[in-house]
Amino acid sequence: EVKLVESGGGLVQPGRSLKLSCAASGFNFNDYWMGWVRQAPGKGLEWIGEINKDSSTINYTPSLKDKFTISRDNAQNTLYLQMSKLGSEDTAIYYCARATGIPFDYWGQGVMVTVSS
Amino acid sequence: DIQMTQSPTSLAASVGESVTITCLASEDIYGSLVWYQQKPGKSPQLLIYGATILEDGIPSRFSGSGSDTQYSLKINSLQPEDFASYYCQNGLSTPYTFGAGTKLELK
Repeated sequence: EVKLVESGGGLVQPGRSLKLSCAASGFNFNDYWMGWVRQAPGKGLEWIGEINKDSSTINYTPSLKDKFTISRDNAQNTLYLQMSKLGSEDTAIYYCARATGIPFDYWGQGVMVTVSS
Repeated sequence: DIQMTQSPTSLAASVGESVTITCLASEDIYGSLVWYQQKPGKSPQLLIYGATILEDGIPSRFSGSGSDTQYSLKINSLQPEDFASYYCQNGLSTPYTFGAGTKLELK
């Protein structure tokens, strides 16, 4: 069974950094692109970015490129999202997802990040 | 960036009815269109990719159509579990932008 479990969320002060993790199991992590999507409370989905199998290609949505960094550790079957200079606009549920070509076919349950003083 | 415009924003329907949700891309995306369903408090679920290809396990009452810039998701004979939000996604080029979503509610 494919499982994606995000962790590392919580309450963080404006301007601080936070690193999310996504532990993958039930499939060969090395064989898949992975990505992150977020959803602000009561809002729609926002594509954050994706990373290829060997981390040689990483794509971001332009508005987040200077704040967020996607990485992965294939030995640990784990995807990461490093977020910096957080603001209230970054308050959201963050989902990791497995990419099969373009669509995300499996999603984690999401982790809440709240940016507030 | 490719902009995805979904309509309607919300839609009320009854069990057994059929509904259609549309998605307009700001440029030709050559059939690279994905649809997801999201129920309250849950993660999105892949429904359709490549504009028309039903993901495994998705009921055949869901269908996708379209080309160039205009795409549609049709749900026939609505079931109680279909009342949810639906999102389209540009699959042609990064950033893989989503539409703003359509909330399908029970009339």
